[in-house]
Amino acid sequence: EPEVTQTPSHQVTQMGQEVILRCVPISNHLYFYWYRQILGQKVEFLVSFYNNEISEKSEIFDDQFSVERPDGSNFTLKIRSTKLEDSAMYFCASSEGQLSYNEQFFGPGTRLTVL
Amino acid sequence: GQNIDQPTEMTATEGAIVQINCTYQTSGFNGLFWYQQHAGEAPTFLSYNVLDGLEEKGRFSSFLSRSKGYSYLLLKELQMKDSASYLCAVRDQAGANNLFFGTGTRLTVIP
Repeated sequence: EPEVTQTPSHQVTQMGQEVILRCVPISNHLYFYWYRQILGQKVEFLVSFYNNEISEKSEIFDDQFSVERPDGSNFTLKIRSTKLEDSAMYFCASSEGQLSYNEQFFGPGTRLTVL
Repeated sequence: GQNIDQPTEMTATEGAIVQINCTYQTSGFNGLFWYQQHAGEAPTFLSYNVLDGLEEKGRFSSFLSRSKGYSYLLLKELQMKDSASYLCAVRDQAGANNLFFGTGTRLTVIP
């Protein structure tokens, strides 16, 4: 069964450093998303991406964040200068379309720890 | 803003039936999803409702009342492996892709 994959599974970084989280969405999916979940809190939407551009973003997704689809398979989230409060599990998701019934498939997540 | 409420924790007995409620107040509505999340893992899709009524899928059923801003997830014949968090998520407008999640309900199934 096709699945969303993410690397690395765990990333530890120093405050102020740049990190890039990587995702490979399901191959025939057209919509890609990043969510984050701070430990013990709810899953929060960050950004959605379609046709090589951002289609929506939340207030959390400020200038420190960027997304890119550098090739036909990868989808990345970059945090330019990490802060302690960026420590969270970051989930990538993809969906086939944007119709209301199109479910989003989530990857296993990258646990980011900022020291 | 978007507000999605679920009970924080529930406990139920193996073999029993449990109902997890979700109420929402959102600026619009274009579908409600239930996801299951085991500790440290990704959310996995369980069910989807966009029209009022009950959707049944094996041991899991989900109900929606749009006029009341209310949904529930019903789990029958509970198994130990059903111990997980259950997340209610709402898509608030047509053409919008993002989901707004509740804080999740942690269900513990006991023997």
